[in-house]
Amino acid sequence: SQTIHQWPATLVQPVGSPLSLECTVEGTSNPNLYWYRQAAGRGLQLLFYSVGIGQISSEVPQNLSASRPQDRQFILSSKKLLLSDSGFYLCAWSEVPEYTFGSGTRLTVV
Amino acid sequence: KNQVEQSPQSLIILEGKNCTLQCNYTVSPFSNLRWYKQDTGRGPVSLTIMTFSENTKSNGRYTATLDADTKQSSLHITASQLSDSASYICVVRSSNTGKLIFGQGTTLQVKP
Repeated sequence: SQTIHQWPATLVQPVGSPLSLECTVEGTSNPNLYWYRQAAGRGLQLLFYSVGIGQISSEVPQNLSASRPQDRQFILSSKKLLLSDSGFYLCAWSEVPEYTFGSGTRLTVV
Repeated sequence: KNQVEQSPQSLIILEGKNCTLQCNYTVSPFSNLRWYKQDTGRGPVSLTIMTFSENTKSNGRYTATLDADTKQSSLHITASQLSDSASYICVVRSSNTGKLIFGQGTTLQVKP
């Protein structure tokens, strides 16, 4: 069966520090992968999606970037975090019609 | 503009009672509508998924309905339990773009 792993679960980082969140999927090949952000009391906002290795589409301009170095690995990064980057980050994968989310990372930038 | 709106924003009920959450959408055409349950600090977990041709789908004590003519869906929770306390998110997939459009969710609190 397919599973999705996302880590870390929580992260507290100072302003200006780098960021790397990792997401891996097991049990499937060439999945579509997504990064979402969920601000408190708001809906999920799609940040990036990838349909294959090295293929990244950005939905909104921001301080973050994504990479897909391997088929089942999706990484969310930042060179210098801003206070506004705080939030709950979710990785997801899809294989029509299923759409499965990871357990999320709570990022607090201080 | 494709939108998904949920109501109420929050809801408090007593354990054992039933409740119904609403979802109105303007996404057209759409390929499917999903309901997710999201516990605090966790990722959303799928409850039901319905295509435009389906009217109802059940998953244990959760029953989702869909009226594609009025563009409305509801999620009915029967005999609520404390563990039902969570946010419930309605998500519609656009047939044109393939993208998911998320509602802002309904926060349900079940009290003993």
